[in-house]
Amino acid sequence: NAGVMQNPRHLVRRRGQEARLRCSPMKGHSHVYWYRQLPEEGLKFMVYLQKENIIDESGMPKERFSAEFPKEGPSILRIQQVVRGDSAAYFCASNTQGANTEAFFGQGTRLTVV
Amino acid sequence: GQQVMQIPQYQHVQEGEDFTTYCNSSTTLSNIQWYKQRPGGHPVFLIQLVKSGEVKKQKRLTFQFGEAKKNSSLHITATQTTDVGTYFCAVRERGSTLGRLYFGRGTQLTVWP
Repeated sequence: NAGVMQNPRHLVRRRGQEARLRCSPMKGHSHVYWYRQLPEEGLKFMVYLQKENIIDESGMPKERFSAEFPKEGPSILRIQQVVRGDSAAYFCASNTQGANTEAFFGQGTRLTVV
Repeated sequence: GQQVMQIPQYQHVQEGEDFTTYCNSSTTLSNIQWYKQRPGGHPVFLIQLVKSGEVKKQKRLTFQFGEAKKNSSLHITATQTTDVGTYFCAVRERGSTLGRLYFGRGTQLTVWP
């Protein structure tokens, strides 16, 4: 049972370009979360999705950021017109139905905007 | 939303010394989770505490949940270089079993050989 898969592991984008980060949850998991981590900081929640639904996007910046989790395929976090401040590690986590279950994290995508 | 304060932010110890990190909340928590993140790695779940006054052990790691369920601690006895990393506490959205996690800022542990 493969874990949470994220790709790419490292992504370099110039200012103004688009960044697409992909996340495939663990097999059988239908709940996906995206978190952002700045250097030497904790993880900040961005968005929580289930298949074809956004459940909670309260942590997502209003502009330039969007997320989806289609019926088929991975969840995508999309950042348009990236700026230097978007440079961070972006982690995806998944879990499944159950009381207070742990989150399984992917290895993250380290985004660098130059 | 939920907030947890975690201290200290950094801890440097000699191998063999003990280490403790603390998480505090102003509100009563339904449960608390602990994660470890190695340098350059991703968070890995360690444990979840649910009951008031609960104490759980994993080898040299001891986890406690306060009687009032407002604080928690992680204690490592006789640290080893393999313990290096950042330890985070995290709590779920109040009343939720699947909602977002609120993370503490983490305690970065360095162990000198």
